Amino acid sequence: LAKTTQPISMDSYEGQEVNITCSHNNIATNDYITWYQQFPSQGPRFIIQGYKTKVTNEVASLFIPADRKSSTLSLPRVSLSDTAVYYCLVGPRNSGNTPLVFGKGTRLSVIA
Amino acid sequence: EAQVTQNPRYLITVTGKKLTVTCSQNMNHEYMSWYRQDPGLGLRQIYYSMNVEVTDKGDVPEGYKVSRKEKRNFPLILESPSPNQTSLYFCASSPTINSNSPLHFGNGTRLTVT
Repeated sequence: LAKTTQPISMDSYEGQEVNITCSHNNIATNDYITWYQQFPSQGPRFIIQGYKTKVTNEVASLFIPADRKSSTLSLPRVSLSDTAVYYCLVGPRNSGNTPLVFGKGTRLSVIA
Repeated sequence: EAQVTQNPRYLITVTGKKLTVTCSQNMNHEYMSWYRQDPGLGLRQIYYSMNVEVTDKGDVPEGYKVSRKEKRNFPLILESPSPNQTSLYFCASSPTINSNSPLHFGNGTRLTVT
């Protein structure tokens, strides 16, 4: 199962674009890359998912280079309410012996 | 409303007293899973289930049991809780076992074992 590495924390001012990169050197051919957002004392919430190139939704963009060994979550014009922990998750769940492993996440602090 | 419901939200108990944390989803999801979250350690998977009567160990299964007798319910059982099981627990589900099915999480159960 692909292990992920993310920065432990990041700070940003309101209105700026924030990019959080996740490394997953051992990503397998059938692995998807999924990002979740978690506020204190709440369960993680799905943000975006991708397999290759670029994916964009109303919340964020996800950039995946051709080798897929990393991915970057881009949050445009962050606000104070974007302060949260962001998790990058990589892996399939097609196998009966495949636990789904979260990394430690990136704690984003948005400053006014 | 589509949701994953965990109960109770908060639980304080003593060492050795058996307890069950319930998890129910109303989305007809096949895949369900339990995680524990501890400071500095992120989310760690305890057990998961790919469908009814199919369960498997995650990263930290010791001291826990689960069952999946119905599709909607996936209870987490602590037969003899110990203080090191004090943690924040999350149940999650997804439509299928395929990797492109996002997880839906419950709001968590904060367990304290004294």
